Amino acid sequence: EPEVTQTPSHQVTQMGQEVILRCVPISNHLYFYWYRQILGQKVEFLVSFYNNEISEKSEIFDDQFSVERPDGSNFTLKIRSTKLEDSAMYFCASSEGTSGNTGELFFGEGSRLTVL
Amino acid sequence: GNSVTQMEGPVTLSEEAFLTINCTYTATGYPSLFWYVQYPGEGLQLLLKATKADDKGSNKGFEATYRKETTSFHLEKGSVQVSDSAVYFCALSGGYYSSASKIIFGSGTRLSIRP
Repeated sequence: EPEVTQTPSHQVTQMGQEVILRCVPISNHLYFYWYRQILGQKVEFLVSFYNNEISEKSEIFDDQFSVERPDGSNFTLKIRSTKLEDSAMYFCASSEGTSGNTGELFFGEGSRLTVL
Repeated sequence: GNSVTQMEGPVTLSEEAFLTINCTYTATGYPSLFWYVQYPGEGLQLLLKATKADDKGSNKGFEATYRKETTSFHLEKGSVQVSDSAVYFCALSGGYYSSASKIIFGSGTRLSIRP
């Protein structure tokens, strides 16, 4: 069964360092998403991506964050200068259509980021 | 803005007990409603969904009915199993003034089932 894969599963970094989280969405999906979950808190929307551009982003997704689909298969989230409060589980997801069109989102297992 | 509120956990039940996890939402218009489940060590998976009022979503013995009059989407199962132990997330997308491209999640309810 097709699945969304994420790497790394866990990354530890020093404050101020750049981090890139990688995702391989399901191959025929058109919409891509990043969510995050700070320990014990809600799963929060970060950004959605369609047709090689951001379609929507939340207030969390500031200038320190960027997304890219560099080669038609990977979908990356970059944090330029990590802060302690960026420590969270980051989930990548993909879908055939938008979630509001009842399209199901398929999630990866998450990448845990720990900023020291 | 749109939001989802679900009962806090953890919820601990014995096998074969009846399960209810409450979920209410705030949204204008007609959002789509979802329950996602996260088993230990895995990503979020769609459990069931409902796209309009009075729709009932069902899967794996779980059910939830879209109640617009009470803005609720409570998750129920008549007889839980140890394998149902997981974190359950209520979620919505769409509605007026809200993009269809993102899902808003509740805080999650951890369910533990004792043998």
